Amino acid sequence: DAGVIQSPRHEVTEMGQEVTLRCKPISGHNSLFWYRQTMMRGLELLIYFNNNVPIDDSGMPEDRFSAKMPNASFSTLKIQPSEPRDSAVYFCASSWASEYEQYFGPGTRLTVT
Amino acid sequence: GQQVMQIPQYQHVQEGEDFTTYCNSSTTLSNIQWYKQRPGGHPVFLIQLVKSGEVKKQKRLTFQFGEAKKNSSLHITATQTTDVGTYFCAVPTSGGYQKVTFGIGTKLQVIP
Repeated sequence: DAGVIQSPRHEVTEMGQEVTLRCKPISGHNSLFWYRQTMMRGLELLIYFNNNVPIDDSGMPEDRFSAKMPNASFSTLKIQPSEPRDSAVYFCASSWASEYEQYFGPGTRLTVT
Repeated sequence: GQQVMQIPQYQHVQEGEDFTTYCNSSTTLSNIQWYKQRPGGHPVFLIQLVKSGEVKKQKRLTFQFGEAKKNSSLHITATQTTDVGTYFCAVPTSGGYQKVTFGIGTKLQVIP
């Protein structure tokens, strides 16, 4: 199994631009999570899906952030417009169910200048 | 939501010394998970503890779940440079669909 796949691995963009992060979970996993990690705030859960349905998006910082999961094998996290304070590492993780162990992707390091 | 406190946040040890990190919850937990994140890497699942007083070992790592299921510890015997990284505990949150909340993590530096 290839594990959780994320793209791009690195993204550098200018303030105001739209950013789209992509994730392919492990086949057969029913839950998918998006996290943001920074030195100041640690590992924060942004949103998670169960069977492609968004269950809890209380961690999404503001309306500039949106996430979709159109099918069981693909999810996107979009930031529009991006701001310098969005700079962080964004992880996608998947699991058999939301309370079981999570398998993390390699992350996308986002830098907004 | 579920609150979990993890201490210490940082720990420097000489290679060969032991290391312990603790997670404490104000409420009883159904289970607790531990993850390790190497510098520049992603969190990797280590273990899940479920039973009161449970102790599990993985080579030099010993994981313990408290009798009251409110706290847990990860102990590393005779640290090596390969143990460098951040260790996170993760606990379930309440609600119709459970999810896990990660502690702030303990960043371990091992001085050769």
